[in-house]
Amino acid sequence: AQKVTQAQTEISVVEKEDVTLDCVYETRDTTYYLFWYKQPPSGELVFLIRRNSFDEQNEISGRYSWNFQKSTSSFNFTITASQVVDSAVYFCALRGMDTGRRALTFGSGTRLQVQP
Amino acid sequence: DTGVSQNPRHKITKRGQNVTFRCDPISEHNRLYWYRQTLGQGPEFLTYFQNEAQLEKSRLLSDRFSAERPKGSFSTLEIQRTEQGDSAMYLCASSLATIGREGEQYFGPGTRLTVT
Repeated sequence: AQKVTQAQTEISVVEKEDVTLDCVYETRDTTYYLFWYKQPPSGELVFLIRRNSFDEQNEISGRYSWNFQKSTSSFNFTITASQVVDSAVYFCALRGMDTGRRALTFGSGTRLQVQP
Repeated sequence: DTGVSQNPRHKITKRGQNVTFRCDPISEHNRLYWYRQTLGQGPEFLTYFQNEAQLEKSRLLSDRFSAERPKGSFSTLEIQRTEQGDSAMYLCASSLATIGREGEQYFGPGTRLTVT
């Protein structure tokens, strides 16, 4: 069984603050992928990043950074100097690779509100 | 490169009626997925096609649900004898089997179904 937990239901910050969105996952697969998606008010899910379970190197893309720690089964997402346009629901997702399944298992999402 | 498109965007139907949704994936993508999303939750996997073959089905996909992808291009999702519990956003995603982009799914805007 696979499970993704996003314990933070909603976070509110003021513009320019840094914010970290937590993601904890459970899987019995030895190989898996982790993802983050953004769902803005318009509703369409936007792919942000994919991380392979073999690659624990942290990644930075502009104001976004991701911290993957296999030892704690976490894949956290940090937005630096948040902006109003970052307001959205963010989903963490997992895909186990051992059985060849293609389905993504999503967490319940974290709603981020960035106040001006 | 146009994105994933879905039609209709909204559907209101009475309980007991049949409804059909259409998804047009990104043109070169050979994999297509259907998910369902209810308010405040992450998307839940329903089914997956590789070309025209339906390779994965979730337990969520009851006998009233059927999906097709007859020519390996667009897909339809039909719900027969709709129930109020079917009210949700139905999301379609597509992906390309490319090394280095494995598992990256690109989502459409969804079809919001309301069963009255």
